[in-house]
Amino acid sequence: EAGVAQSPRYKIIEKRQSVAFWCNPISGHATLYWYQQILGQGPKLLIQFQNNGVVDDSQLPKDRFSAERLKGVDSTLKIQPAKLEDSAVYLCASSLLGGRAEETQYFGPGTRLLVL
Amino acid sequence: GENVEQHPSTLSVQEGDSAVIKCTYSDSASNYFPWYKQELGKRPQLIIDIRSNVGEKKDQRIAVTLNKTAKHFSLHITETQPEDSAVYFCAAKGRGSTLGRLYFGRGTQLTVWP
Repeated sequence: EAGVAQSPRYKIIEKRQSVAFWCNPISGHATLYWYQQILGQGPKLLIQFQNNGVVDDSQLPKDRFSAERLKGVDSTLKIQPAKLEDSAVYLCASSLLGGRAEETQYFGPGTRLLVL
Repeated sequence: GENVEQHPSTLSVQEGDSAVIKCTYSDSASNYFPWYKQELGKRPQLIIDIRSNVGEKKDQRIAVTLNKTAKHFSLHITETQPEDSAVYFCAAKGRGSTLGRLYFGRGTQLTVWP
């Protein structure tokens, strides 16, 4: 079974520029998550989709971050404009059901973003 | 929301010794507790999980214990090997308005010396 795919793997941009990340979840997984992992910390959820609807975006800085999952499969996360503190690894994860199900979340390899 | 505390932040052990990592959580409604292992530059991978109706679970050299009353759970690795060296994260999944969001601890850097 193919895992969660993400691209690009690395990105370096200057502050105030924009950047977009792409994620393809495991086939058949209804729920997709975007996490931000700052160096030395655990992943923090930014947004959660169930199929193509947003379930939880309470931790997403909506003034600069946006995400979509138009057809309920792939997803993109965008930052515009980027700030220095956005430097982090952006992890995408997926799970079969989501919600309150006690199930495994499978992570992608992440995109390492450096904002200069 | 949920708050997960993890200790210690770093742990060094000799090969063959045991390692224990402890986590506490704040939301008594949390019902699912996974542990992830993350090697340098790689994705977090689930190594073991436990549900709130179980007190202990074991998988070969890895075991997890859960004390719901005290709201803490621990990861135990026996007969450690150098390839166990990684960052380990605990997490708790709530059942309230967060609709099952996973809250992660800050991680424990485990180093196993040969």
